[in-house]
Amino acid sequence: DAGVTQSPTHLIKTRGQQVTLRCSPKSGHDTVSWYQQALGQGPQFIFQYYEEEERQRGNFPDRFSGHQFPNYSSELNVNALLLGDSALYLCASLRQSYNSPLHFGNGTRLTVT
Amino acid sequence: AQSVAQPEDQVNVAEGNPLTVKCTYSVSGNPYLFWYVQYPNRGLQFLLKYITGDNLVKGSYGFEAEFNKSQTSFHLKKPSALVSDSALYFCAVGEEYGNKLVFGAGTILRVKS
Repeated sequence: DAGVTQSPTHLIKTRGQQVTLRCSPKSGHDTVSWYQQALGQGPQFIFQYYEEEERQRGNFPDRFSGHQFPNYSSELNVNALLLGDSALYLCASLRQSYNSPLHFGNGTRLTVT
Repeated sequence: AQSVAQPEDQVNVAEGNPLTVKCTYSVSGNPYLFWYVQYPNRGLQFLLKYITGDNLVKGSYGFEAEFNKSQTSFHLKKPSALVSDSALYFCAVGEEYGNKLVFGAGTILRVKS
């Protein structure tokens, strides 16, 4: 039973560029959340997708956008990258209404130079 | 708005001794509380959760946590620490199950042999 998988594992981008990160949820899960974890900090909630719609959003600018596909996989897009966007981006999934905990992937390490 | 405080940046304990990692929270309604563990360059692994019911929650790898509503605390405990328990531990709180989690800054646990 595959857990949450994320790609790529590492990425280096230049300021001003755009990036797309990908996530496949754990089998049987229908809800995907994205978190940003800066070095030495706890994860911060970016947004959550369920039924292909953004259901909740944290305190992140519109440069951060996402998408959920019919197979429940998800993408996180970040435009106009800033140095401060360098972080570990974590995808997490759960199955709504089943009281299942969030299951996290191993993350994508994004470095902006 | 919900918040979490982990007052200790680091906890040191000898192998075989009991360990406690502290967490206090703030929410407007009933809390949903979680503990996760993170190993270097990895995502977060679920340890245990409190939704309702018994104040003592048992989780993975011998960990347990005690919910104390009057003190708004949810401390993580283990009767006998292992060197392999050394990792970064995060407490998290949510206001609605399945929705966004707010994480603490994390506590590094070091278990020495």
